[in-house]
Amino acid sequence: DAMVIQNPRYQVTQFGKPVTLSCSQTLNHNVMYWYQQKSSQAPKLLFHYYDKDFNNEADTPDNFQSRRPNTSFCFLDIRSPGLGDAAMYLCATSFKQGINIQYFGAGTRLSVL
Amino acid sequence: GENVEQHPSTLSVQEGDSAVIKCTYSDSASNYFPWYKQELGKRPQLIIDIRSNVGEKKDQRIAVTLNKTAKHFSLHITETQPEDSAVYFCAASKGNTGKLIFGQGTTLQVKP
Repeated sequence: DAMVIQNPRYQVTQFGKPVTLSCSQTLNHNVMYWYQQKSSQAPKLLFHYYDKDFNNEADTPDNFQSRRPNTSFCFLDIRSPGLGDAAMYLCATSFKQGINIQYFGAGTRLSVL
Repeated sequence: GENVEQHPSTLSVQEGDSAVIKCTYSDSASNYFPWYKQELGKRPQLIIDIRSNVGEKKDQRIAVTLNKTAKHFSLHITETQPEDSAVYFCAASKGNTGKLIFGQGTTLQVKP
């Protein structure tokens, strides 16, 4: 019944080696979000897309980029991963902005060696 | 900036007892308050939500109350079961962006 699908579930990369995480959705939702969740912490919003409009959070490092080539897919690119970027990355979707339920994917756990 | 404080950080109860988790938000313009349950290694799952025009909402063993004046909202779980053991996150958002500000999370342990 997965409606928000993240691939891969686990990703290991080397310090400084670019990595891309993938999210796809079958809900036809307008909004897609990327969150970073470190161990024992709350999810922290990195950025979101409302349709094709990209909205970056003020404190999201430039090292993090995103692409949304179509409604169904959204990618998180980490240009030069550091040890501090090791975390769970969660994708979420909602029908539109405003008061709408966000549905989360299962996440990608990123390790940086 | 907008902030959500959540307490307690850990909560241990006996099976069958009630559990209460409380959150306080800072932005009086917040109008949507969801609660998510996250089991170890799994996705956050919405368990209940409340909008600012409602004071209380109940769904079987779980309920949420909202006090807009005090900017508090709380999750109540009655007749707790071991499968309720998880991390619970509250969140607040304003309608124009849908951006969720999460509380720090509460680890609930229900002892059989």
